[in-house]
Amino acid sequence: EAQVTQNPRYLITVTGKKLTVTCSQNMNHEYMSWYRQDPGLGLRQIYYSMNVEVTDKGDVPEGYKVSRKEKRNFPLILESPSPNQTSLYFCASSSPSRGYNSPLHFGNGTRLTVT
Amino acid sequence: AQKITQTQPGMFVQEKEAVTLDCTYDTSDPSYGLFWYKQPSSGEMIFLIYQGSYDQQNATEGRYSLNFQKARKSANLVISASQLGDSAMYFCAMREDNTGNQFYFGTGTSLTVIP
Repeated sequence: EAQVTQNPRYLITVTGKKLTVTCSQNMNHEYMSWYRQDPGLGLRQIYYSMNVEVTDKGDVPEGYKVSRKEKRNFPLILESPSPNQTSLYFCASSSPSRGYNSPLHFGNGTRLTVT
Repeated sequence: AQKITQTQPGMFVQEKEAVTLDCTYDTSDPSYGLFWYKQPSSGEMIFLIYQGSYDQQNATEGRYSLNFQKARKSANLVISASQLGDSAMYFCAMREDNTGNQFYFGTGTSLTVIP
């Protein structure tokens, strides 16, 4: 089944404790991206990657890191989480090479709470 | 300036009635795509419908149709014969040709279908 898999679904952590949210897609998509969703703000892009070893900042990159060493994986790293990073996070992928009607495919989301 | 504007934070519709969710966009790129996503209370993001800037006809997918008015830069989602399962958040998104694969999202509209 074609899908984007992100883990964990729920995560509660404390300020300053490094964490990684994994994301993997099995659709051979070139493009992958991370978003955070906060009430009233919609989805805001954190980082995106156009292909392996190519990453770029989105609208809200501060406090986050990413890497794209393999085409299928795009982990999100919070080196020193803070309470203002409490949010719902989505990983998504797409394949622009298949046409611009190619939608974003989303993972099921990770609800992060930083205390 | 906001790329995507959804001015209706919340909407109510009677079951079996039609409802229109508004979306306006801002771009100077002649080539772009518009997408609508549904987010039920379970949290996942579900792709509903796509409209390309060069498409001559309004997109339709089952009970979903897109009222695309290019000159007004609007891409309203119309849901016909509303069902209780349509209660969800709805997000409008845009991808511009000249920004590669960047997706811009609106803040969403919460739709409640009343029995």
